[in-house]
Amino acid sequence: QSVLTQPPSASGTPGQRVTISCSGSSSDIGSNVVHWYQHLPGTAPRVLIYSNNQRPSGVPDRFSGSKSGTSASLAISGLQSEDEADYYCAAWDDSLKGCVFGTGTKVTVL
Amino acid sequence: EVQLVQSGGGLVKPGGSLRLSCAASGFTFSSCSMNWVRQAPGKGLEWVSSITTSSYEYYADSVKGRFTVSRDNAKNSLYLQMSSLRAEDTAVYYCARVGDCRVNLRDNRFDPWGQGTLVTVSS
Repeated sequence: QSVLTQPPSASGTPGQRVTISCSGSSSDIGSNVVHWYQHLPGTAPRVLIYSNNQRPSGVPDRFSGSKSGTSASLAISGLQSEDEADYYCAAWDDSLKGCVFGTGTKVTVL
Repeated sequence: EVQLVQSGGGLVKPGGSLRLSCAASGFTFSSCSMNWVRQAPGKGLEWVSSITTSSYEYYADSVKGRFTVSRDNAKNSLYLQMSSLRAEDTAVYYCARVGDCRVNLRDNRFDPWGQGTLVTVSS
């Protein structure tokens, strides 16, 4: 199963802006919407951004998403200590007829 | 409140079988596509399977032919029957509903998620 490519890690100091990239192909990101999930150890993942740039209720507006062509990105502005977590992008793949997740990015707050 | 409560994990020998369950409440279960996602130790999230409201099934290549997803709308429950289990199937398995039951599976996020259940395949 193909995966979407993310950097393994990202970091910043409190208050900084961090951006995570997600690279795919024409059959996944290029054809479908992208969602972003936050995963803290020992808990269930939660959706941060859906349909490229939509924020569910309860998600702070510090989190934003965008998509262009076969790539997408998640931005965290005003980084806070509680943002330390693993972040995953995801999209449907029309060729595989299934969902593909990104490789995951561990965000560290310095 | 929307809730997904999972059960059925445990230790199983290679080649063995196990059935996971996911009990749903707080929404009209029959109207929503459902999904299974797993995370192996030290690895990232991996989509496993999805089932639509009309019981159309989708599988990752890694489990196709070995796992079967099903739903019982009368019991508001989702299942994952796993057979011919391998060491590489060891993972925490999560069930998840689609975020918007009016939207097709292809365009949908996974939200909410169950609490996860650990499956360990080892002799």
